[in-house]
This record gives sequence, structure tokens and C-alpha cells, in this order.
Amino acid sequence: SQQGEEDPQALSIQEGENATMNCSYKTSINNLQWYRQNSGRGLVHLILIRSNEREKHSGRLRVTLDTSKKSSSLLITASRAADTASYFCAPWGNTDKLIFGTGTRLQVFP
Amino acid sequence: DTAVSQTPKYLVTQMGNDKSIKCEQNLGHDTMYWYKQDSKKFLKIMFSYNNKELIINETVPNRFSPKSPDKAHLNLHINSLELGDSAVYFCASSQGRASYNEQFFGPGTRLTVL
Repeated sequence: SQQGEEDPQALSIQEGENATMNCSYKTSINNLQWYRQNSGRGLVHLILIRSNEREKHSGRLRVTLDTSKKSSSLLITASRAADTASYFCAPWGNTDKLIFGTGTRLQVFP
Repeated sequence: DTAVSQTPKYLVTQMGNDKSIKCEQNLGHDTMYWYKQDSKKFLKIMFSYNNKELIINETVPNRFSPKSPDKAHLNLHINSLELGDSAVYFCASSQGRASYNEQFFGPGTRLTVL
């Protein structure tokens, strides 16, 4: 299945701490995308990492990709209360669609 | 300016009714999608159109019918609404039919069927 599976399902941390979320998948991919969903809102694209890339940064976000292990991780450094949201990974293989998992619910306490 | 917009934001209706949700994007994208997110936050693709051509049609009851009058619009009509149709429906768009690029999502339409 092309669906990504996020782990953990839920994560609670204090402001200032780092948050790490993992994504595993089963098929070969062309790219893997991470999205954030704030409560009651649509998904917002965070980072797209291609299969020939190993690491990508965007502000406080760092994404790694290990295609040999079929896994990716999203690291949010120096978290803020505003980072509280659900985070989804979407591996893309050879179809026209992204298949999202159930996400990791991150709670950042002030 | 809103990139992907949906109307209405909330929709409460009785079982058996027919309703429509509208979606518009002003990003110049050629591909649009409809997703359904259930109460467990599982986001599932329903349909996708590329240049007004249907390219993804998942296992969705035929009570659901998408309509794309042009590249910037993708509407969803639902006939004979059932309790299980209650969910949040998201429209999205991207450039290109394959997922080379990011998708932009609308704010969602929360449908409640009573």
C-alpha cells in the first residue's frame, strides 16, 4: 500500500522542546510530502522531499528520508504552542493520488 | 486572497436530501480533488479532475457526483444523503495530475446529516 503510517499517534511536549514524528511506508516512492492540519482547518503543505534526497530543511522543520528503510521523520525544533496540530505524511509512488494516514496529533503546552 | 475556497463552510441537512458543495481555486492549477475526512481524522480521496477530465474515482457511492465546469471549479453533488455521509469534505488543487507537487487545500465543509 502507498499509505504512510505516522508514529506516534499522539505526542505531548512543552514549548521549547523538539518534536519528532515518524512515517513508514511499504512501496517505492517518487516523493514524500508532509502536511499540517490545525483543528477545524484544511491541510497545509510543509515539505516535499524527493526520493533522491536524504534531508531537507524549512525554518524550524527538518525532514529526513531513508528509502532503504522506507521511512521518513519530521523534526520540529524549539516547538511553540502554535505548532499544536495534526501532522500527516503522504508518500507518493506511481499513481495519481496521495494517500494520507491518520496522522500524529501534536500538543505543545505553553 | 483565498487560494482554494469552498462553500458552504457548514451544512446541516436531513437524511434523503440532495446537497451540493462548491469549490474554486485561483491558483491556475489544472488538477482538483475532493477528500472526505471522517471523525477519526482519516483523510480519504474521493475524486480528482485534471483539465476537467475525471482521473481518480475511488470506491464512492454513485450518490456522489463531481462536476467540473472549468479548471478552476470542482463541485460535489450528493443525492439521497445518509447518516454515514456526515464528515468534513475538503477540496484541493495542484499543478499536474501526478503528485509531483504540493496540494493546496480548502478550509473544508462540515456536513452533518440528521
